Parts: sequence; structure tokens; C-alpha cells
Amino acid sequence: EAGVTQFPSHSVIEKGQTVTLRCDPISGHDNLYWYRRVMGKEIKFLLHFVKESKQDESGMPNNRFLAERTGGTYSTLKVQPAELEDSGVYFCASSQDSRQGKPPLHFGNGTRLTVT
Amino acid sequence: GQNIDQPTEMTATEGAIVQINCTYQTSGFNGLFWYQQHAGEAPTFLSYNVLDGLEEKGRFSSFLSRSKGYSYLLLKELQMKDSASYLCAVWGLYNFNKFYFGSGTKLNVKP
Repeated sequence: EAGVTQFPSHSVIEKGQTVTLRCDPISGHDNLYWYRRVMGKEIKFLLHFVKESKQDESGMPNNRFLAERTGGTYSTLKVQPAELEDSGVYFCASSQDSRQGKPPLHFGNGTRLTVT
Repeated sequence: GQNIDQPTEMTATEGAIVQINCTYQTSGFNGLFWYQQHAGEAPTFLSYNVLDGLEEKGRFSSFLSRSKGYSYLLLKELQMKDSASYLCAVWGLYNFNKFYFGSGTKLNVKP
């Protein structure tokens, strides 16, 4: 089966511009997660979709970040306007079953965002 | 909180055994995961412990002690391709949909 796919793999934008990241989860996976890894730091949770609904968005840094998952398939994460501190690798992950004890998460290769 | 600590970097020799430790302090616990991440690639699932004890999968084994908030990943017969970052992740009980990651341990395997 195809894995989690993220696009683009790299993005370099200027401060103040807008960038939209896309994630296509594994087919049939209801749970979709966005994570971010800032250089030298741990991978941090951003938000979690169950199908098209936002289950938990407590990790979103601020209102410059907007995530959507229309139709419960692919998801987009928009950063508008981008700031320097938004630079990092944005990972998407999906899983089939979010109940207790049902691993694992399947990760995409990530989008490396550089804001200059 | 969900503080997760693991060494930043380790070096080992090809063919040897290496143990990567992970300690965590969490308000809840639903499982501990180890992921391998090569530079520029996605983290890939290695192992999962929910009960105390040792889980063995080929050259890789993972141990968990819930009472001590401690886990380790044991890599045997090291190969050069094992050079990667190893991420310890805790799946929290009260937020069971959340994985919390340590900063990762960069393992360098030398000939």
C-alpha cells in the first residue's frame, strides 16, 4: 500500500508569505496528525483529525496556522503569514485505530520549511 | 507533564551491541514506542511496549519498566545502516491520541 505522502518536500519562502503543505494519509486511515520538528528540538504535536473533524488542535502555535481536512481524506496545513520561527520539518502521520493500545503511527517524509 | 529524556548522541562499533535509554515522567501512559529516523526521511516504527518486559524483534529489542518510567532500545550486531536517530515516544493515557517524543538519540556506527 502507498504510505503517507507529503508535498512539497521542501519549501523556501520569505517572511510574510503564505505556504500550504499537503498530506495524503494511507487510504482508510481515519486519524491524521500533524507534527513539527524545529531544528535541535523534539517532534511536537500540532493537531489531530478524526476523519474531517479536528479532534485536538492544542498544539497549534497560533492563529497563523490553519489546518483543514475536507472530506476526511487529504489534509492541508496553511501558514499565513509565515514567520522565521516557523522554519522546521512538518510531519504528517496517520493511523487506522486511535483506541488504546493500537499502534503505530505511519509518518510521511515531512516537508522542510525554511522561512527567510 | 510528559518529559521524555534520552541521550543526545552515541557512538558504537559495527558488530557491537548498543543500548539507548529513555526515561519519562508522564501523567498517563498508554504505550512506549521506538522509531528510527534516517536523515531527511520519515520516522519508521521499530517497536512498541505497553507491558513491562522485553520485546524482541530480530536484532532490535525494547524493554519497558512502567514503575520506573524507563525503557531502552537494544541493537545487536550493529550494521553501518543502523546509523540514524532513534526516537522514544510515549503515547499518553489521558490524551490517548497524542504521542509525545523525546529529542532523539543520534547513533553513529563506525567500522
